Amino acid sequence: GAGVSQSPSNKVTEKGKDVELRCDPISGHTALYWYRQSLGQGLEFLIYFQGNSAPDKSGLPSDRFSAERTGGSVSTLTIQRTQQEDSAVYLCASSLLGQETQYFGPGTRLLVL
Amino acid sequence: AQSVTQLGSHVSVSEGALVLLRCNYSSSVPPYLFWYVQYPNQGLQLLLKYTSAATLVKGINGFEAEFKKSETSFHLTKPSAHMSDAAEYFCAVSESGGYNKLIFGAGTRLAVHP
Repeated sequence: GAGVSQSPSNKVTEKGKDVELRCDPISGHTALYWYRQSLGQGLEFLIYFQGNSAPDKSGLPSDRFSAERTGGSVSTLTIQRTQQEDSAVYLCASSLLGQETQYFGPGTRLLVL
Repeated sequence: AQSVTQLGSHVSVSEGALVLLRCNYSSSVPPYLFWYVQYPNQGLQLLLKYTSAATLVKGINGFEAEFKKSETSFHLTKPSAHMSDAAEYFCAVSESGGYNKLIFGAGTRLAVHP
């Protein structure tokens, strides 16, 4: 009965380091979404998973960003060679396939120094 | 392409006063429309949604919104503001019939003062 969980809740890293952000969706939710919330850009879509496949990666801002999902459940968003402009809150959401309501996790607040 | 415009980045009301948060959208296909609320350091919580059924949609915490196709609007209202309503509110649109990638407005921060 748990909601969407994300870890870590906060991450501080140095410019140039790689980071991994984790999302645990609600059990049984086939659809999974990543969004980014930043001061300059607002809330923006990054990537959509249907099961383990990602049919829409159109929001990933650069090739430094990648994501995977395994077992139709946990998803990891990886940012390589982090830059200061990557500082943002990264939100994950999940839904039942074909259902319009997305349930959001609390987010990971990333700060790149 | 779809887009959402929220008029007013900050809205301030007195406790007990009417809350009106404005949202206009553009979409080339029939849209799904949503209002989400975000409390400090928390994720997004769904307030209400429009999915082509009734045009007047009632949500949680006494909020409601009306879909007006002719005006491409989906404004959020609450008759009487409560201090606990202070938060940031986001309007979002997605395409009906497909997977539901959300396109968000810039958000409106609601302040409620005594």
